[in-house]
Amino acid sequence: GNSVTQMEGPVTLSEEAFLTINCTYTATGYPSLFWYVQYPGEGLQLLLKATKADDKGSNKGFEATYRKETTSFHLEKGSVQVSDSAVYFCALSEVQGAQKLVFGQGTRLTINP
Amino acid sequence: GAGVSQSPSNKVTEKGKDVELRCDPISGHTALYWYRQSLGQGLEFLIYFQGNSAPDKSGLPSDRFSAERTGGSVSTLTIQRTQQEDSAVYLCASSPLRVNTGELFFGEGSRLTVL
Repeated sequence: GNSVTQMEGPVTLSEEAFLTINCTYTATGYPSLFWYVQYPGEGLQLLLKATKADDKGSNKGFEATYRKETTSFHLEKGSVQVSDSAVYFCALSEVQGAQKLVFGQGTRLTINP
Repeated sequence: GAGVSQSPSNKVTEKGKDVELRCDPISGHTALYWYRQSLGQGLEFLIYFQGNSAPDKSGLPSDRFSAERTGGSVSTLTIQRTQQEDSAVYLCASSPLRVNTGELFFGEGSRLTVL
């Protein structure tokens, strides 16, 4: 079945550090890929997405590129801020049927000033 | 409000009791999902409603779990004879019909603690 594997956390960085959170997936067909973020005390919200191979999703300084050859969708940001502290979830949409998402286990990110 | 609303935000119950969790989706969204978020786990899909179609119940972990959606809007997730392993945050999400963006709009969740 479809699955998503994320880099285990928690991850702690200093402000302005470079961030990578790894995500790989297993799926039949060509799913769309997503990163969701959950800030403290808030619901999950979509951060960025990519719908086909080689697409790059970007938002709020974060980027992720859909790599079909390595079945990966790693999240990156060049200079993190304290406000980026949150839990990040990688997800894929199943190809058949409507918009059911399969999520990874989440990675907790803490940024220290 | 304009977002997905869930209630209660927190529920503490004794083992063996039944609980009901409510979700009020965004107006006009015909797709509704329930997920479960356990400590150290990812989001586990439970059930999906889409318009008047039969729900996809493939993620429900046991027959103690059930959900209904009345009038194509509000949904209730019911857990009968709760067990300690049912302790988790139950998340509801909605999305518009036939918009395959994959974007789900989540509520803040209902945290269930079974003693």
